[in-house]
Amino acid sequence: KAGVTQTPRYLIKTRGQQVTLSCSPISGHRSVSWYQQTPGQGLQFLFEYFSETQRNKGNFPGRFSGRQFSNSRSEMNVSTLELGDSALYLCASSLVGYGYTFGSGTRLTVV
Amino acid sequence: DQQVKQNSPSLSVQEGRISILNCDYTNSMFDYFLWYKKYPAEGPTFLISISSIKDKNEDGRFTVFLNKSAKHLSLHIVPSQPGDSAVYFCAASPSDTGANSKLTFGKGITLSVRP
Repeated sequence: KAGVTQTPRYLIKTRGQQVTLSCSPISGHRSVSWYQQTPGQGLQFLFEYFSETQRNKGNFPGRFSGRQFSNSRSEMNVSTLELGDSALYLCASSLVGYGYTFGSGTRLTVV
Repeated sequence: DQQVKQNSPSLSVQEGRISILNCDYTNSMFDYFLWYKKYPAEGPTFLISISSIKDKNEDGRFTVFLNKSAKHLSLHIVPSQPGDSAVYFCAASPSDTGANSKLTFGKGITLSVRP
């Protein structure tokens, strides 16, 4: 079966712009989480959605937001981009919140 | 405040020998622990997990040990193979949100297995 699909794989944006990243979970998985990976901070939890509701949220500013659609696909949005937002953004899906499978990530570069 | 710590950034071992990757945590609410392996340009891949009610879990060449009193866990890989060369992340989840729903990761250890 298909894995977790993240699009796009690579993205270059300018400071001040906004960006939307997409994640398609494994079919049947209703829980989707987002993580940010940077060299200095490692993998940090952004938020988790389950059945279109945000169930958990990490310690990120309000510029980071997300949503989940009825088909469990999820989008993450970052507004007013800063240089420090350059990172690998990973999405993970799970059937009932256990055993997450990660996608390959979207590499965002802010210039 | 780093709640999950992987203090050694790298480890190099000879093929066929044992690799021991260590992880410490500070949050006593963590109830479920996982190890992930990551290759460059790929997402983390789940390796093995352990619940706090156990002190050992084994899956093939991989064994995870948990010492709750010391807030310490370790991943043993025996025998190590060159294909095991990757970054290994330790992760933890609090019991009140359900395992895996909010993972706190360590910063990772780069394992190199020499042929």
